[in-house]
Parts: sequence; C-alpha cells; structure tokens
Amino acid sequence: QKEVEQNSGPLSVPEGAIASLNCTYSDRGSQSFFWYRQYSGKSPELIMSIYSNGDKEDGRFTAQLNKASQYVSLLIRDSQPSDSATYLCAPGGGGADGLTFGKGTHLIIQP
Amino acid sequence: DAGVTQSPTHLIKTRGQQVTLRCSPKSGHDTVSWYQQALGQGPQFIFQYYEEEERQRGNFPDRFSGHQFPNYSSELNVNALLLGDSALYLCASLTGGETQYFGPGTRLLVL
Repeated sequence: QKEVEQNSGPLSVPEGAIASLNCTYSDRGSQSFFWYRQYSGKSPELIMSIYSNGDKEDGRFTAQLNKASQYVSLLIRDSQPSDSATYLCAPGGGGADGLTFGKGTHLIIQP
Repeated sequence: DAGVTQSPTHLIKTRGQQVTLRCSPKSGHDTVSWYQQALGQGPQFIFQYYEEEERQRGNFPDRFSGHQFPNYSSELNVNALLLGDSALYLCASLTGGETQYFGPGTRLLVL
C-alpha cells in the first residue's frame, strides 16, 4: 500500500514570506513527483514536477527532492494571498499506476 | 488548445441508481485516468484507460466501470450508488509520460 504523508494544516504564512510544504512517501520505487494546487471547489492544477534529487525552480516555486529520505518539499517565495489553497503532493507510480495523492496541506497566506 | 473537459458539472442521484460521467481529454492526449475525491481527502485513483482498454485499476469495487472511445474520450459508470459515492469525480489526461492534467470535475451527490 503506497502512502503519502502531508501535514494537513492549516499552515498560516504572512504575505511576502516563504511558505514551506513537506511531503513524505513510502514507495522507494517512485521516480517522479508532482505538486498540484487546488483552490476550494476547484480541480487540482499542476504546479511543478521533479524527477531528480536536488532543487528545481520555476518562478516563485522551488521543489526539492531527496529520494534517499523519501522526502519532497515545495517552497513558495514572496507568498501572495492568491497562493492560499490546498497543495497536493503525488509521487508517480510509473505510467499506468496512476498517481497516489496525500490529503494535502491547506495553506493560508495572511495579508 | 482545448483542455480536459468533463460533463455534467453537477449531478444529484438517489441510492441504488446508476450514473455515467463523461470526459474528453486534452488535445493530443490518448490516456485517461479517473479519480474520486471525497471531501477533505486527496484524489484516489479509480482506473486508467489507454487504447480503449482498462490498463490499471485502483482499489475500487466492480460497481465502478469505464469505457474509452476511439476518439480517446472516456466514460465512468457507477452502478448501485451508495451514499459514500458522493464525491468530486476527476478525469485526468496524459500522453507518454506521467504528467496528468485534470478536468474541472463532476460533483456527484447521492441522496
């Protein structure tokens, strides 16, 4: 049984600060990792994908992966109120297996 | 470039009834995955269709079935509806790799 753990929050961060979201996973065979953002009542929207150990930056977002520790994180710099949402972590099982999602972390950016 | 579309957006059914949900994948995508998202939970993988065949299935009973058409669109059918089937049903499309793009979802309420 593949498991993905995320702190459900809510995580409250002041506007302009760095938000740090964490995720651990159980399947050592996972090779790809995805972060999705989901606004209340909406569907998940892909933010970042990461495949190799280390950091990957895209605008204000940085994904960090450590396969040895089975840990992946998402940093959001210069947090904006529009970043307030639930962030879902999903390690990829490999094509046909589908994605296994955590319950998500509810992020609140306080103006 | 058309994204993933789903219909209907909302649906109300009673226990024991049957429901059919529809999905059209993103242009150029040939694979469709279906997910169920209960309130406060992450999406759970139901199954994936590729070349009109069910390629992989998550931990869902046989009451959940699907179909993929030659134009890559897909249907999700749920028979003998239970109250616990109330959820947001998400369709995601992909091609080649694992990056999945979600449609807006169908919100099903079973009374």
